[in-house]
Parts: sequence; C-alpha cells; structure tokens
Amino acid sequence: QVHLVESGGNLVKPGESLGLSCAVSGLTFSDLYMSWIRQVPGKGLEWISYISARGTSKYYADAVKGRFTISRDNTKNSLYLHMNSLRVEDTAVYYCASNTGSLHFDDWGQGTLVTVS
Amino acid sequence: EIVMTQSPATLSVSPGERATLSCRASQNIRDNLAWYQQKPGQAPRLLIYTASTRVTGIPARFSGSGSGTEFTLTISSLQSEDFGVYHCQHYDDWPPTFGQGTKVEIK
Repeated sequence: QVHLVESGGNLVKPGESLGLSCAVSGLTFSDLYMSWIRQVPGKGLEWISYISARGTSKYYADAVKGRFTISRDNTKNSLYLHMNSLRVEDTAVYYCASNTGSLHFDDWGQGTLVTVS
Repeated sequence: EIVMTQSPATLSVSPGERATLSCRASQNIRDNLAWYQQKPGQAPRLLIYTASTRVTGIPARFSGSGSGTEFTLTISSLQSEDFGVYHCQHYDDWPPTFGQGTKVEIK
C-alpha cells in the first residue's frame, strides 16, 4: 500500500505564495498518477489538480488554473503543488492522493492545512 | 462540470440497522463512480469503485449499486466503526467531482 505524507501547509496572507510537498513510499512512484484534493474544514472535497505518472499530462480545476502548478520528481518520490496569488477561499486542508488507472483515489495522505488570512 | 448530489445530508442509524445512501449525477457517468468513508480528523478512504467493486479489505456489509445517474451505497448492518461522512465521486470526465457528503450518525 502507498504511504503519502504532505508537508508545507502554513498561514499566509492573501496574494502570497506557498509550496506543498507530498512524499510517497510503498509503491513505485513513477507508476502512480497523482492528484491534489482540498477540503474546507467541515465541507466537501474538491479535486484541484492531476499529474500523470511521467508528468507529461497535467490538469487543473478552474478555481486554481493559472495560479497553481503541479509537478513531480520521480527520482525523489515526491509530488509538489506551488500556489501563487493565494486567496482567502483557498483556505483548506490539502490532500495528495494516488491512483494507478481510473481516476478514483486509492490512497491519501493525512493532509496539510493552508490558511490564507 | 458534472454535479454530484448526495442524499440525505444526515442519516441517523442505530447499530445493526441498514443504512442506504444515495448519490445522483447530473448526467450519465456510466459506472464511473467511487465511494469514500471519512472519519473526523482523517483523510477519506476508498471503499468502492466502478460503482460496485469493493476495495480489498472492505467488509462485505458495504455494497454499491447503480449506473448512469443514480447510485446507492448500502451498509447492511451498521457497526460502530462505520459512523462518519461518506462521499461519492465521479470519474467519467474532467473534472472529477465529489458530492457534498452524507453524515452517518448514531441514532
């Protein structure tokens, strides 16, 4: 089973930038498709970005397109999310999640809290 | 984007009783639907995919059904560890979207 650990969450001001990381172990990272999903505390889940196993395909939700960038380093078994121009409404717990084929999310990290205020 | 609507918002169930959760898609998603369980302070956990396939290790009391736009998650005999929030998610097209969740609480 895959083990995912997010880091980088913090309190930032509107307009600032922040980077999140997700360290992955347990399976061959370069075989995994990865996503970032966020959740406002007490609310539902929102998928925000996806990257293919080799990093050649990337997708973004409209809410973050042009502000957030997903990337990965298969030599470091790590996934990243760089967030620019943060807004109050980006406040959420950010999860990284993996899948090996269809886009249901097989394994999740514990989440990291981003607060924009 | 495809809108996923879950009902009810809250379901009060006694241990040992049957729980039936519904999820509706705003357009045909075939069987490209997953169900997740989330407990307070924890990440979601995948229970079911392709509408009815249980993940390895998920108890048989959890079952999923449906196709097209109407889906159901049934917990045949609720156990104490089953209380939490259940989310449905489609993956038929971009972007994948989730329902707002159904909270299963102790009656």
